[in-house]
Amino acid sequence: DAKTTQPPSMDCAEGRAANLPCNHSTISGNEYVYWYRQIHSQGPQYIIHGLKNNETNEMASLIITEDRKSSTLILPHATLRDTAVYYCIVRVMEYGNKLVFGAGTILRVKS
Amino acid sequence: EPEVTQTPSHQVTQMGQEVILRCVPISNHLYFYWYRQILGQKVEFLVSFYNNEISEKSEIFDDQFSVERPDGSNFTLKIRSTKLEDSAMYFCASSNPGTGDSPLHFGNGTRLTVT
Repeated sequence: DAKTTQPPSMDCAEGRAANLPCNHSTISGNEYVYWYRQIHSQGPQYIIHGLKNNETNEMASLIITEDRKSSTLILPHATLRDTAVYYCIVRVMEYGNKLVFGAGTILRVKS
Repeated sequence: EPEVTQTPSHQVTQMGQEVILRCVPISNHLYFYWYRQILGQKVEFLVSFYNNEISEKSEIFDDQFSVERPDGSNFTLKIRSTKLEDSAMYFCASSNPGTGDSPLHFGNGTRLTVT
């Protein structure tokens, strides 16, 4: 699976949009981009994933660049409860394939 | 929303003892996983399981570890003779067979403390 690069930490003001970047310059055509988060040692929580099109769900939006070498996770109105470690993971599209976690980005939402 | 449940939430055991960590995956899921996270470190893959067989395992998953799906709902991780370095959070996950991009869904973990 391709490697990802994320900033170690970011701050965001409560109520503002949080934009979390991820670089995955070696991504292959059959690899998806997944975002998970982990709140204080709870289990990783699935947020969103995509292949090449932008995706949106009730939690977040995922913007993938046209060349697929980077992506941005957007939390439109961050709250204090969004403070967590956010993981960007590239995963080969294959039944039952594992996820490989990196260090992620610590997002601190401040009031 | 269906979720993965893990029991117990916290397990304390003495070095050398056997422990079994239990997981109930989401009911229509067919792929199962165990991960661990040592305090302050990354979430690490241990093993994946499908159709009553191990699909893939990491270097961490040595002969001390085993997995089993003893019935139609549970998925267990056994550590035969625990060591101090086995102290960690253990997360179970499952995914459904739908399409190759189906996400993994994780439980909230069992904190294993080996004394």
